[in-house]
Amino acid sequence: SQQGEEDPQALSIQEGENATMNCSYKTSINNLQWYRQNSGRGLVHLILIRSNEREKHSGRLRVTLDTSKKSSSLLITASRAADTASYFCATDPNTGGFKTIFGAGTRLFVKA
Amino acid sequence: GAVVSQHPSWVICKSGTSVKIECRSLDFQATTMFWYRQFPKQSLMLMATSNEGSKATYEQGVEKDKFLINHASLTLSTLTVTSAHPEDSSFYICSVPKSQRGGYTFGSGTRLTVV
Repeated sequence: SQQGEEDPQALSIQEGENATMNCSYKTSINNLQWYRQNSGRGLVHLILIRSNEREKHSGRLRVTLDTSKKSSSLLITASRAADTASYFCATDPNTGGFKTIFGAGTRLFVKA
Repeated sequence: GAVVSQHPSWVICKSGTSVKIECRSLDFQATTMFWYRQFPKQSLMLMATSNEGSKATYEQGVEKDKFLINHASLTLSTLTVTSAHPEDSSFYICSVPKSQRGGYTFGSGTRLTVV
């Protein structure tokens, strides 16, 4: 079963606006990752946040992690048309090994 | 950084034939690789964990005799879809752990269409 659940499933915004996507998970984790996938392509690793971190930045990306609520958010500021893609969160459960579980993803559409 | 090459990027085959997909780590050695399947507008579903020099570990519900995985070297894992049927049409993606940095590097995926 899926560990992560993204919210919303789809998001349409104007270029320049901010986009916020949320992810919830079920079990304790070592870390949480966000990926981007352009249509028909592989996934690109965006950012990883560890379970002892609360916030992380990378360029226009800001990720927060609330382990008490088992949730994370990805904020893309000043969005661009090129940000149009699907965004997935993934978790490495704190059960040992590498098994990573992906959420269903948020499809972001940025209108120029 | 880590580079993973997946080939082919797309393939069309006739029902009943077998298709081999390759996943190569170009700049580092990977003792473990992962194979995922993704249906349109859905998430990635882990099919199996490929282990160099030993048998792959398959997820529940994935037929190991149908999806043959070979990880004969530290830089190459192959997934062979045997006796493919139209319901096997999907997007297959491999990934490799980024080691101590955490996270994964993904191949570009293979679009398989069985006609």
